[in-house]
Amino acid sequence: GAGVSQSPSNKVTEKGKDVELRCDPISGHTALYWYRQSLGQGLEFLIYFQGNSAPDKSGLPSDRFSAERTGGSVSTLTIQRTQQEDSAVYLCASSLDGEQYFGPGTRLTVT
Amino acid sequence: DAKTTQPTSMDCAEGRAANLPCNHSTISGNEYVYWYRQIHSQGPQYIIHGLKNNETNEMASLIITEDRKSSTLILPHATLRDTAVYYCIVRVAHNYGQNFVFGPGTRLSVLP
Repeated sequence: GAGVSQSPSNKVTEKGKDVELRCDPISGHTALYWYRQSLGQGLEFLIYFQGNSAPDKSGLPSDRFSAERTGGSVSTLTIQRTQQEDSAVYLCASSLDGEQYFGPGTRLTVT
Repeated sequence: DAKTTQPTSMDCAEGRAANLPCNHSTISGNEYVYWYRQIHSQGPQYIIHGLKNNETNEMASLIITEDRKSSTLILPHATLRDTAVYYCIVRVAHNYGQNFVFGPGTRLSVLP
């Protein structure tokens, strides 16, 4: 009965490097969401996948951010040329019909 | 923008009921009220949701006013582990085309 898992749990990277964050949703969940949360702030929506439909990318803050979901399951969020303001906890959630189940997040620190 | 308003913070004595209010005056007929909470350094956790009837589960009760413009989450016997930020969200139940908009929430502190 695994929940949503994310890896790595922590990532420290140098400014300008690319990073990939992984999300394994709950098996059978058709929807997958990415959010980020800066220190002391609320959740900021980034991108949403629903089945085979085109993803809703309306929350991505810049073209340095991209995400894909392969085979309707695992998702990867990629941040290119990281900046210090990208430092945050990146949360993934999956859903079947309503309530979202969140992973533990990946804490990204850009130095 | 979040479609809900909540108090910024609340205190509650351990063992007492915690009543967290939420206003959602522009809620649409097909929108549900969802509650999540986020304990420090963890991902948000689903608590409960409802449409118009009051709901209860092992975690909490949800009371929705008849006009559906406000609701209250009730933790019947708050414990120190219930200290968290509580988010009230309105959205349609299905996944199609709408994400969850998390406002700033209410920071509940349960005091010994």
